[in-house]
Amino acid sequence: GIQVEQSPPDLILQEGANSTLRCNFSDSVNNLQWFHQNPWGQLINLFYIPSGTKQNGRLSATTVATERYSLLYISSSQTTDSGVYFCAVDGAGANSKLTFGKGITLSVRP
Amino acid sequence: KAGVTQTPRYLIKTRGQQVTLSCSPISGHRSVSWYQQTPGQGLQFLFEYFSETQRNKGNFPGRFSGRQFSNSRSEMNVSTLELGDSALYLCASSLGGTGNTIYFGEGSWLTVV
Repeated sequence: GIQVEQSPPDLILQEGANSTLRCNFSDSVNNLQWFHQNPWGQLINLFYIPSGTKQNGRLSATTVATERYSLLYISSSQTTDSGVYFCAVDGAGANSKLTFGKGITLSVRP
Repeated sequence: KAGVTQTPRYLIKTRGQQVTLSCSPISGHRSVSWYQQTPGQGLQFLFEYFSETQRNKGNFPGRFSGRQFSNSRSEMNVSTLELGDSALYLCASSLGGTGNTIYFGEGSWLTVV
């Protein structure tokens, strides 16, 4: 099946710093989503981005489907950005079956 | 518009018992999928239902089963619980077509003792 690798596994930032989180995937995808898992366990949608670039406030994401990677950018980080960020993909023909990476644990210090 | 609702949120069961978890998808969504999250294995796909039919299945033993009702609500059942079944169980819903955004509920925390 499709493989998803996220890097770095852990990231520690000072409040106000910028960061880039990376997701590599091994095959063509119909769907790529970035999630932030809150302390209570819920996966919060950040972006649906199988290709192209999107921005939402301080967050933006870019997926280069031909090169099989996606990047999540966080600018001017805040302590509330702390948590685990997951990239998940839905391979061709998989229909709503997401394969997740292991996640990136982000800690933003005041 | 209400999000994905899962019940119960927290539960403790004894080894050998069975458990049923419930999920109500976003209104209009016909696909419901289930995932298990553990510290060791991460997030793993269990199964997906679309219009009351199981459309995809992950690599879990037959003790894990599910179903979907005509109103798209779904239940998953785990029989003969083992300690290793302790996990966060997440339900997700989508319209069900190729490349649709998938939305998750808050999850059900299961502890097996």
